[in-house]
Amino acid sequence: DAGITQSPRHKVTETGTPVTLRCHQTENHRYMYWYRQDPGHGLRLIHYSYGVKDTDKGEVSDGYSVSRSKTEDFLLTLESATSSQTSVYFCAIAGVNQPQHFGDGTRLSIL
Amino acid sequence: DAKTTQPTSMDCAEGRAANLPCNHSTISGNEYVYWYRQIHSQGPQYIIHGLKNNETNEMASLIITEDRKSSTLILPHATLRDTAVYYCIVANGGSGSARQLTFGSGTQLTVLP
Repeated sequence: DAGITQSPRHKVTETGTPVTLRCHQTENHRYMYWYRQDPGHGLRLIHYSYGVKDTDKGEVSDGYSVSRSKTEDFLLTLESATSSQTSVYFCAIAGVNQPQHFGDGTRLSIL
Repeated sequence: DAKTTQPTSMDCAEGRAANLPCNHSTISGNEYVYWYRQIHSQGPQYIIHGLKNNETNEMASLIITEDRKSSTLILPHATLRDTAVYYCIVANGGSGSARQLTFGSGTQLTVLP
């Protein structure tokens, strides 16, 4: 939907391991975003990008890093995963002055 | 960004119009009103947005009061597939800026057969 692919769709890993989630877009949009969604909370912004190699922190950025070396790919990395990072992660994209469109999500479980 | 207030839940009969209200009394002049919905555990789906004029698209209509302190999303003929959590979001609409959306708890709309 809306030219966004998140991978993997599901992942189970252990505490302390590094994890990288990928968001790939085919729309050539400028803006890309990573959100997480937990029970009892709405979506919360982790990091966003406003261009290649241009990123900034969102509301809940601690423990996460991002990279965008190409327009189409926005990577979210958990350097050393913790159980509190078990969540559903959504990527969104937006063109200039356009609304955000979301991917189907990645369900991440950290044991 | 301004905060929004929505009812926790609403029911609507299938085939009838669903009217979802949202209060955003602290909205500022350059903030837009966005509506998204989330069906079960899927990604949020964009519905519609507006600044001060009423808007309509193939999915819904958005009515914004003249003072912009509240708005209503209207689904003209609700179907069972419209059962979802609906989020009203107010976000800065500065030209060319990366808009950060703040999702609240939303309204759980249940369409009844």
